[in-house]
Amino acid sequence: NAGVTQTPKFQVLKTGQSMTLQCAQDMNHNSMYWYRQDPGMGLRLIYYSASEGTTDKGEVPNGYNVSRLNKREFSLRLESAAPSQTSVYFCASSEGTSPPNTEAFFGQGTRLTVV
Amino acid sequence: LAKTTQPISMDSYEGQEVNITCSHNNIATNDYITWYQQFPSQGPRFIIQGYKTKVTNEVASLFIPADRKSSTLSLPRVSLSDTAVYYCLVGDSGYALNFGKGTSLLVTP
Repeated sequence: NAGVTQTPKFQVLKTGQSMTLQCAQDMNHNSMYWYRQDPGMGLRLIYYSASEGTTDKGEVPNGYNVSRLNKREFSLRLESAAPSQTSVYFCASSEGTSPPNTEAFFGQGTRLTVV
Repeated sequence: LAKTTQPISMDSYEGQEVNITCSHNNIATNDYITWYQQFPSQGPRFIIQGYKTKVTNEVASLFIPADRKSSTLSLPRVSLSDTAVYYCLVGDSGYALNFGKGTSLLVTP
């Protein structure tokens, strides 16, 4: 079972470049999330999509945009990358937004370096 | 959202029982308590979730006192492979997944 798949796994960008991180889940989950994790830090929520057709800001949305393309896919876009966006990005999905259906499944992460 | 406080780090020897306590004084009536585990270079993995009293699965136990202002994740007889970061989350909705910094557990021989 694939679960949550993120592409690419690694990426190096120059300051000012743009890119889109892709995320797809095959578990028919309603909710999807994007997190960033900096060295020695916990995960910080960037954006989430509680259900298809909706997106909301999380704790650190500045500099990012998202698209819930369909129920399976949730992409994260950096319009003008900055060194402060160097991080590991995780995508996650969960069945629902009310316990006990909130177990989140994570992708393997995208390691992004902005130089 | 209820704020959680947990130790930054803990050390243990193989074979010991490890208890990680999380404080959540402002927990709301509808909030559940969920614990995740994260290994280096991997995304977090769900361990256990509970609302009150005790919950046990094949991996861990979760103890929640009657006032629900804290919870304790218990890992029986840890091994080296249990070295990871453990996150305590409190919330009543799927998107209240705020992880914080977690507790870094180091298990040594």
